Amino acid sequence: GAVVSQHPSWVICKSGTSVKIECRSLDFQATTMFWYRQFPKQSLMLMATSNEGSKATYEQGVEKDKFLINHASLTLSTLTVTSAHPEDSSFYICSGTSGIIHEQFFGPGTRLTVL
Amino acid sequence: AQSVAQPEDQVNVAEGNPLTVKCTYSVSGNPYLFWYVQYPNRGLQFLLKYITGDNLVKGSYGFEAEFNKSQTSFHLKKPSALVSDSALYFCAVRESPGNAGKSTFGDGTTLTVKP
Repeated sequence: GAVVSQHPSWVICKSGTSVKIECRSLDFQATTMFWYRQFPKQSLMLMATSNEGSKATYEQGVEKDKFLINHASLTLSTLTVTSAHPEDSSFYICSGTSGIIHEQFFGPGTRLTVL
Repeated sequence: AQSVAQPEDQVNVAEGNPLTVKCTYSVSGNPYLFWYVQYPNRGLQFLLKYITGDNLVKGSYGFEAEFNKSQTSFHLKKPSALVSDSALYFCAVRESPGNAGKSTFGDGTTLTVKP
């Protein structure tokens, strides 16, 4: 299957700082990328959907000014957690798909810990 | 609107026995159905999908699933479970052809295969 990478795989930061997570589709053009948040032993919570070159569509309850998403190219999307708080600590997962692919291909996830 | 339900939080089977992980869905039109697996601290991996055609679909690692339109179900099955199959399994549905590729995920079922 198609490969999606995420960087970093884990990050620890201080409260109030910003953290950027990169999501790259390595062998396909991801016209659409999704960002999820997952709590321990819980389902995926979709945060936003982004299409290349346009603004992300955020799910209800997700603060767009706090979770900045950029999808600048067909192979790269970034999620920036601004002014991080301890409650932002979570496992963040991205996925990509394209018009000819029905399934989503997921990155390995990024474990964020905010102290 | 589309939705998916995984009625079991946990499924336990003995190694060598058949396993079933249940999934039911609801969509307005025709469904695209997917199964993904997640190992600890990893992203999701695509297992199999139903788009159209044969109701029985075969996927990775010996898994298969049967699309049952009358029961709106898409249960995941494997004839003989392995300890290495122990993981978190997600069912997902997307209404075809719309919704911009956005799938709705179930809450996940933890499969434990005991030796």
